[in-house]
Amino acid sequence: QKEVEQNSGPLSVPEGAIASLNCTYSDRGSQSFFWYRQYSGKSPELIMSIYSNGDKEDGRFTAQLNKASQYVSLLIRDSQPSDSATYLCALRGSSNTGKLIFGQGTTLQVKP
Amino acid sequence: DTAVSQTPKYLVTQMGNDKSIKCEQNLGHDTMYWYKQDSKKFLKIMFSYNNKELIINETVPNRFSPKSPDKAHLNLHINSLELGDSAVYFCASSQFRVRETQYFGPGTRLLVL
Repeated sequence: QKEVEQNSGPLSVPEGAIASLNCTYSDRGSQSFFWYRQYSGKSPELIMSIYSNGDKEDGRFTAQLNKASQYVSLLIRDSQPSDSATYLCALRGSSNTGKLIFGQGTTLQVKP
Repeated sequence: DTAVSQTPKYLVTQMGNDKSIKCEQNLGHDTMYWYKQDSKKFLKIMFSYNNKELIINETVPNRFSPKSPDKAHLNLHINSLELGDSAVYFCASSQFRVRETQYFGPGTRLLVL
């Protein structure tokens, strides 16, 4: 079992819709979770972090965490074509190195 | 002002060659990383240095050797390149106490023929 699993997609949504990106993880000791966005041919950039169960909102983005179900999600409201990118779910491993462990990413396509 | 820079951006080379990738950050961070992203977009940590000390050394062939001459620089030398080494290599940096907020360089696209 991979440590962080994401559906690679592509996930296609119409402009203005809500895009829902999901991620599951295997290490119950993980406490910190992150979403990075990577445009094609570019480097990843951090867009959201979440540490507690529940929802965390930042503009059009909402991260959701359920540690009991080992599940993290990212909702993008009012999706725009500029949101088209690969979204990487990551967590900080429970080892003392604190390394980030990434999923393989979900490619989102927002169609005008 | 480039925060994290890498050279070269593209590297095309023959199997068996030795090559180096250089990384520099001007963010004042104390921790730097090398990641490998394969063709399926899977981003995996290879090495991490904190204040020039190696703190993460994943299961990577010993043909890969990182070197950090100072906190702002982290280089990656690869010996005897193999076809499977073809990937995008990203350098990143962070403050150790905020390791999740990593700033990535533009990547070096390595193609081994």
